Amino acid sequence: GENVEQHPSTLSVQEGDSAVIKCTYSDSASNYFPWYKQELGKRPQLIIDIRSNVGEKKDQRIAVTLNKTAKHFSLHITETQPEDSAVYFCAAGAGSYQLTFGKGTKLSVIP
Amino acid sequence: GAVVSQHPSWVICKSGTSVKIECRSLDFQATTMFWYRQFPKQSLMLMATSNEGSKATYEQGVEKDKFLINHASLTLSTLTVTSAHPEDSSFYICSARGQGAIYFGEGSWLTVV
Repeated sequence: GENVEQHPSTLSVQEGDSAVIKCTYSDSASNYFPWYKQELGKRPQLIIDIRSNVGEKKDQRIAVTLNKTAKHFSLHITETQPEDSAVYFCAAGAGSYQLTFGKGTKLSVIP
Repeated sequence: GAVVSQHPSWVICKSGTSVKIECRSLDFQATTMFWYRQFPKQSLMLMATSNEGSKATYEQGVEKDKFLINHASLTLSTLTVTSAHPEDSSFYICSARGQGAIYFGEGSWLTVV
């Protein structure tokens, strides 16, 4: 089955700096890669996703890049703000969108 | 995005009893829903895939007789934790595919005392 590795597990950045979270996946059949933001005790919120026919996608301060050959994808958050502090999960899936999640990255943005 | 609603948000039950959690897709039809379990400070672990009109597909290590899943309509899947024990206490969350992406319900905190 699919295996998703996510790094780092914790990340602290100064407000205004950029944050980068990286994930690798094992199953070449995976073609859908969403990123979720989860605040304590709440549901994961989809923040951005990318499909394997696209190399990069951007939405305001958030961008995701995908390297199919190397089987890795990354989340980039620019101009970080305190409200960006949360746990971020990457995931990989195919077909019916049964997702396999990474272990999560706790992002802390220091004012 | 698509809306997935989960109920109840919080439930406390006694050991040995059963508790049912509902997952509804409010503005779309979901032939497939997914049930996850999340322990504190850990990732989401897929328990089972719920298929409308057929039996659920359980992940390895998940007891299907303990975690009963029923997906009787295109907008509702239920998870019943039978004969609950304290070790079943956890955050249970469902998701469904809508508008080309996966959206999550609010999650249900289960505490078994």
